[in-house]
Amino acid sequence: KAGVTQTPRYLIKTRGQQVTLSCSPISGHRSVSWYQQTPGQGLQFLFEYFSETQRNKGNFPGRFSGRQFSNSRSEMNVSTLELGDSALYLCASSFGQGAGTEAFFGQGTRLTVV
Amino acid sequence: GIQVEQSPPDLILQEGANSTLRCNFSDSVNNLQWFHQNPWGQLINLFYIPSGTKQNGRLSATTVATERYSLLYISSSQTTDSGVYFCAVKGGSQGNLIFGKGTKLSVKP
Repeated sequence: KAGVTQTPRYLIKTRGQQVTLSCSPISGHRSVSWYQQTPGQGLQFLFEYFSETQRNKGNFPGRFSGRQFSNSRSEMNVSTLELGDSALYLCASSFGQGAGTEAFFGQGTRLTVV
Repeated sequence: GIQVEQSPPDLILQEGANSTLRCNFSDSVNNLQWFHQNPWGQLINLFYIPSGTKQNGRLSATTVATERYSLLYISSSQTTDSGVYFCAVKGGSQGNLIFGKGTKLSVKP
């Protein structure tokens, strides 16, 4: 069974540009969550999608957005990139929504903003 | 929201030694996971353990939900155990994990 797949693995962008990251969950999993990891702030929750609906959102500006497709694949978009957006972005998939389900993570996308 | 504290923040061991990592959380939880972050950044699932005790090879974990802590035991450590270990919890109906700051483990040959 394939794991969670994130693309691309590495990305370099210039300030002001926008970027789209992709996440394909484990087959059969319908919940996808996104997290940002930085040395200063640690791992922080961005948003959670289940059945194409955003169920939960972290404390990030509106420049961060996401969506989920009918096949459960998810994308997140960051517009007007800032240097502080440089981070490892991790996607997690789980079978169901809510607290009682185990989450599995992809390898991450390392974004560098210059 | 729930606060998660991990200790110690850093741990240096000689190969073959045993260690205990601790995770304290501030409120009741119904999901607790331990992860190992590899050098490439991926979070590897170690245990899904909202309560009770589990063992997997040289690793074991115990969560005492009523006292709001979890312990990860690593026995006979190997250099490949090096990396950062994270504890993460979910509480109530929330779907997102709340992470601790991690324990950075370095195992010396």
